Amino acid sequence: DGGITQSPKYLFRKEGQNVTLSCEQNLNHDAMYWYRQDPGQGLRLIYYSQIVNDFQKGDIAEGYSVSREKKESFPLTVTSAQKNPTAFYLCASRSGATNEKLFFGSGTQLSVL
Amino acid sequence: GQSLEQPSEVTAVEGAIVQINCTYQTSGFYGLSWYQQHDGGAPTFLSYNALDGLEETGRFSSFLSRSDSYGYLLLQELQMKDSASYFCAVDTGRRALTFGSGTRLQVQP
Repeated sequence: DGGITQSPKYLFRKEGQNVTLSCEQNLNHDAMYWYRQDPGQGLRLIYYSQIVNDFQKGDIAEGYSVSREKKESFPLTVTSAQKNPTAFYLCASRSGATNEKLFFGSGTQLSVL
Repeated sequence: GQSLEQPSEVTAVEGAIVQINCTYQTSGFYGLSWYQQHDGGAPTFLSYNALDGLEETGRFSSFLSRSDSYGYLLLQELQMKDSASYFCAVDTGRRALTFGSGTRLQVQP
């Protein structure tokens, strides 16, 4: 079955540590996205990529980094510069043919130890 | 900048009809989407309006008025499983959606 896989489901970060969240899709979608969701809040855009080897900052990119070396993969690194990383992180993708529908992964809950 | 406003909570009873409004202020506009998210789950796509008018998909309908920068999601014949958060999202043309803060719908028996 086609879809988006995020791993791990739960992740804990220590002070000063970088952690990487995985996002893989087999939908053959060109565009991929990372959103952050805080409790009771909406989704805020961190980074997005329209094509391999290219990505753009979203609204809250500080303290985060991404790479897009393969079409299927868009990992997000939460660096030690992100002082408030506890949140639910959602990866999404969409076909390049239309901007109407995002497909989301099941999310990663990141907590600080 | 962009902003989307929607009510934080709505309560309704099973079998009833509920409308969730969304007003937006954006620098560009290509369309308005709606997503449903159950607690702890991933958002799932419900509908998309690029043009004025009503789009119907089963029990759910979505409406857009571009001149009023306003849209709504209409849920009919409410069921308990419809209890979830509903987000409107705007496509401003930068190829990424901007989401509202969400409306938590509570369906009561």
